[in-house]
Amino acid sequence: GQQLNQSPQSMFIQEGEDVSMNCTSSSIFNTWLWYKQDPGEGPVLLIALYKAGELTSNGRLTAQFGITRKDSFLNISASIPSDVGIYFCAGQLETNTGNQFYFGTGTSLTVIP
Amino acid sequence: EAGVAQSPRYKIIEKRQSVAFWCNPISGHATLYWYQQILGQGPKLLIQFQNNGVVDDSQLPKDRFSAERLKGVDSTLKIQPAKLEDSAVYLCASSWTGFGANVLTFGAGSRLTVL
Repeated sequence: GQQLNQSPQSMFIQEGEDVSMNCTSSSIFNTWLWYKQDPGEGPVLLIALYKAGELTSNGRLTAQFGITRKDSFLNISASIPSDVGIYFCAGQLETNTGNQFYFGTGTSLTVIP
Repeated sequence: EAGVAQSPRYKIIEKRQSVAFWCNPISGHATLYWYQQILGQGPKLLIQFQNNGVVDDSQLPKDRFSAERLKGVDSTLKIQPAKLEDSAVYLCASSWTGFGANVLTFGAGSRLTVL
């Protein structure tokens, strides 16, 4: 399957700081997605990116679809305690058998009040 | 709109026993996915259905795992016999086949512990 390299693996930050994480792949994707997973829950979609170069915001979150279509980043500004969780990137491909989704290994975020 | 429903949320079994998980996708979502998420890792696809047909089961350990989606709506994933390494969260997800099909919506997951 496709390999998505997500970094950093974990982050410990002070409340109010900004956060940046990224995802790279050797493959081109049609769509980049960013999910957040809280303990004991399934991943929840934060942002979906559909075009190369697209920059999209959702509140304090901003994500970009890389020009090469092989990478994406997610920024969180002015972090708050409820931002704690694991963030996953995912790339989507259209194949002859339908849509395929591949996930990064996750970035664990801890926000220290 | 109701989300993706999964049950049970938690299951503890001994190795060599069997277990079944159930998923009801979002109404109208033709594509249903089962993912396995081992602690500290991202979700890994086990099987993908389009309506009641299997689209991709290349990563499914078919000697012990089986899944079905008989009427093209809800689905069950079975493990028999379970091994220690099957301890994981089993996530069900669904998507449209038309506009917006490139987004997955997940259920809360079923956490399996094999002792």
